[in-house]
Amino acid sequence: TQLLEQSPQFLSIQEGENLTVYCNSSSVFSSLQWYRQEPGEGPVLLVTVVTGGEVKKLKRLTFQFGDARKDSSLHITAAQPGDTGLYLCAGAPSDDYKLSFGAGTTVTVRA
Amino acid sequence: DTAVSQTPKYLVTQMGNDKSIKCEQNLGHDTMYWYKQDSKKFLKIMFSYNNKELIINETVPNRFSPKSPDKAHLNLHINSLELGDSAVYFCASSPTSGRRNEQFFGPGTRLTVL
Repeated sequence: TQLLEQSPQFLSIQEGENLTVYCNSSSVFSSLQWYRQEPGEGPVLLVTVVTGGEVKKLKRLTFQFGDARKDSSLHITAAQPGDTGLYLCAGAPSDDYKLSFGAGTTVTVRA
Repeated sequence: DTAVSQTPKYLVTQMGNDKSIKCEQNLGHDTMYWYKQDSKKFLKIMFSYNNKELIINETVPNRFSPKSPDKAHLNLHINSLELGDSAVYFCASSPTSGRRNEQFFGPGTRLTVL
């Protein structure tokens, strides 16, 4: 059983459509991170959410941290082909260095 | 400027061989990590060093031995390679306090064991 469950596993949409990726857990996190990984490269940090209920925006990407700090979502508005990639949520439920990753959501945006 | 670099990018070798992967970071971070990403893209931590001290050692076969000569370098040596070791190995680094979950990853080393 994974600590962080991501859904959906795969998402294929047309350019201009919106999409949402979910990251859920039964554990409470002091913070959650979202990373994006492109083929042949390492994950790149997009955002950290810290406060329950927090909403952060990064251009067309909106990240939300659940009120209870157990879940998070990533919403992309008007997706573009450049948004294609593997989106990973990550967090450490205790104050240590052991970061757990979700299994990832592969997003494909078709032109 | 490359923040976290790994060598080699690709490694193809025969079962039973011994190989090493090197990692260097120029971000001034105190903590470095090794992760393994399997064919399903699941990323799992293997080891972590903080200021040259081993602080995370997950359930990894003892054929894998990390070594940190200084806080900017973390190497991974693998003995007696097996088919199941084939994966992409990522090095990462992070600050020690506060934002340690904000990790910077290298480009990965794709290991193929034949």
